[in-house]
Amino acid sequence: DAGVIQSPRHEVTEMGQEVTLRCKPISGHDYLFWYRQTMMRGLELLIYFNNNVPIDDSGMPEDRFSAKMPNASFSTLKIQPSEPRDSAVYFCASSLYPLHGYTFGSGTRLTVV
Amino acid sequence: GENVEQHPSTLSVQEGDSAVIKCTYSDSASNYFPWYKQELGKGPQLIIDIRSNVGEKKDQRIAVTLNKTAKHFSLHITETQPEDSAVYFCAASKEETSYDKVIFGPGTSLSVIP
Repeated sequence: DAGVIQSPRHEVTEMGQEVTLRCKPISGHDYLFWYRQTMMRGLELLIYFNNNVPIDDSGMPEDRFSAKMPNASFSTLKIQPSEPRDSAVYFCASSLYPLHGYTFGSGTRLTVV
Repeated sequence: GENVEQHPSTLSVQEGDSAVIKCTYSDSASNYFPWYKQELGKGPQLIIDIRSNVGEKKDQRIAVTLNKTAKHFSLHITETQPEDSAVYFCAASKEETSYDKVIFGPGTSLSVIP
């Protein structure tokens, strides 16, 4: 298996623009997680899905953030409009069970200027 | 909710020495404790985990110990090598429902000096 695949690896955008981050989980993993990593706040869970259904989105910082999982092999995290404080590395992870070991993707480094 | 603290925040050791990273957690109901290693430019990778019915677990040069009474757990790396240099995260969660979350500590940056 190729692991969790995220795209793009790097994204630079101007403030106010829409940003879409993409994730392909490991086949057969029923749980998908979106994390944000910054120096100040560490690893923050934004949202997670079970069988394509959002279970907990309490970590989503604002209405500007939205996530979807239209099928078992694809998820998106969208920021609209983007702001400089959204600059961070965003990770997607998947797991067989909710509290089993997670497999993380390589992340998307987002810079909003 | 659960809160996980981790010490030290940075750690430098000579190659061949041992490294120890300590974590504490707040929720006494937590019973699953994974450790992740994050190398530069990569996502965190699970290296070992321990559940509350076990006090210690080893895998080659790494070991974890758990003290549920004191609510702390530790990662031990023996015979450190330069490739052990990375950021290490501890985490805690409870397996009461399918919807509980893993809470990560702030991380420890380990440098192994050749």
